[in-house]
Amino acid sequence: GAVVSQHPSWVICKSGTSVKIECRSLDFQATTMFWYRQFPKQSLMLMATSNEGSKATYEQGVEKDKFLINHASLTLSTLTVTSAHPEDSSFYICSATFSHSNQPQHFGDGTRLSIL
Amino acid sequence: GQQVMQIPQYQHVQEGEDFTTYCNSSTTLSNIQWYKQRPGGHPVFLIQLVKSGEVKKQKRLTFQFGEAKKNSSLHITATQTTDVGTYFCGVNYGQNFVFGPGTRLSVLP
Repeated sequence: GAVVSQHPSWVICKSGTSVKIECRSLDFQATTMFWYRQFPKQSLMLMATSNEGSKATYEQGVEKDKFLINHASLTLSTLTVTSAHPEDSSFYICSATFSHSNQPQHFGDGTRLSIL
Repeated sequence: GQQVMQIPQYQHVQEGEDFTTYCNSSTTLSNIQWYKQRPGGHPVFLIQLVKSGEVKKQKRLTFQFGEAKKNSSLHITATQTTDVGTYFCGVNYGQNFVFGPGTRLSVLP
């Protein structure tokens, strides 16, 4: 149980392109979803916390107009990297949990984004 | 500020040797979680510790929560090549969940 699907797993695109990443909880309803960014050999850096039906809470330093998050249902959250540039290239990974705190996070497989 | 540290940053062991990673917080924790991320993979939840002094075991893995609930350890007995990966602790600071920097484990066959 507690399977999270993330799509696409790999994206290569030109600078200026907007990229949409989907995160789905397949067998449970996710009250909260988290979006992380991970650079090689580094820890996961939380970008934003997304609760179904409400606006995402962004971490300090993360541009909300650059990284658009939509959590339209209890099983789907999307992250859109708008007008992506090479410096946005990274590993983006989502996680979902039954509630906001004190519950294990179940991670998607991640999306490797490469901007040329 | 609230910080969570992990040591060591890297650990290289010979297969069969033991391994321990430590997670330390600057403030008292309500609970602590441990995750494992294989190279190229995503983090996978291992365990959550809640009680002061709690010790939990999963086969060759032993997890411990400090008496003061400010630190925790993950010990692997007789490592195997399948143990390779990065081990992260994760803690709640109020409404915020923070991952430690991780300990990267290499196991030489």
